[in-house]
Amino acid sequence: DTEVTQTPKHLVMGMTNKKSLKCEQHMGHRAMYWYKQKAKKPPELMFVYSYEKLSINESVPSRFSPECPNSSLLNLHLHALQPEDSALYLCASSQAFQVNYGYTFGSGTRLTVV
Amino acid sequence: QQQVKQSPQSLIVQKGGISIINCAYENTAFDYFPWYQQFPGKGPALLIAIRPDVSEKKEGRFTISFNKSAKQFSLHIMDSQPGDSATYFCAAMRDKIIFGKGTRLHILP
Repeated sequence: DTEVTQTPKHLVMGMTNKKSLKCEQHMGHRAMYWYKQKAKKPPELMFVYSYEKLSINESVPSRFSPECPNSSLLNLHLHALQPEDSALYLCASSQAFQVNYGYTFGSGTRLTVV
Repeated sequence: QQQVKQSPQSLIVQKGGISIINCAYENTAFDYFPWYQQFPGKGPALLIAIRPDVSEKKEGRFTISFNKSAKQFSLHIMDSQPGDSATYFCAAMRDKIIFGKGTRLHILP
């Protein structure tokens, strides 16, 4: 299995809702990432997990809460989002953090906040 | 500060032609230079990558040329096909990926 699987593919949520994005990989990768991508822009790093521990939080607002239950799963919990948070949310994984090899990205969750 | 500068922003090439995308970086500590291809509604996919001790790497129709002294690298797509139409991101890595701003490539049939 050489894929990163993200669910759901599309999500529409109100500003008072709580929802979660899920990401799964079975490549034995020990680093997992959350990125946010706006239209016509490159992905922006949000969080890095290394060996299931949060290593980097790129000053992301607390309405985004990441969780890494085990080495294969990564969640992003969403609460009280704003319309400007609408974007494509990408999960990625790599062999290890700070080991410079290519990342494997999922297809993303297209999030719309109404 | 934009650490990886990518040009052009958009590019139109005839089918069968050569597509060329250029990138420049500033931090000499970068030690891995990947290119990602992204189709609409999909995540970026690693296309080809190079390390700074190599001046050129070729995989099929895709070639990276790397000039360490000039701190520049480029992607050449030979015999460009309509299926190559996508957004291409160059990147540089030292612990984290630093992406260029992307090039939207359109291949005319």
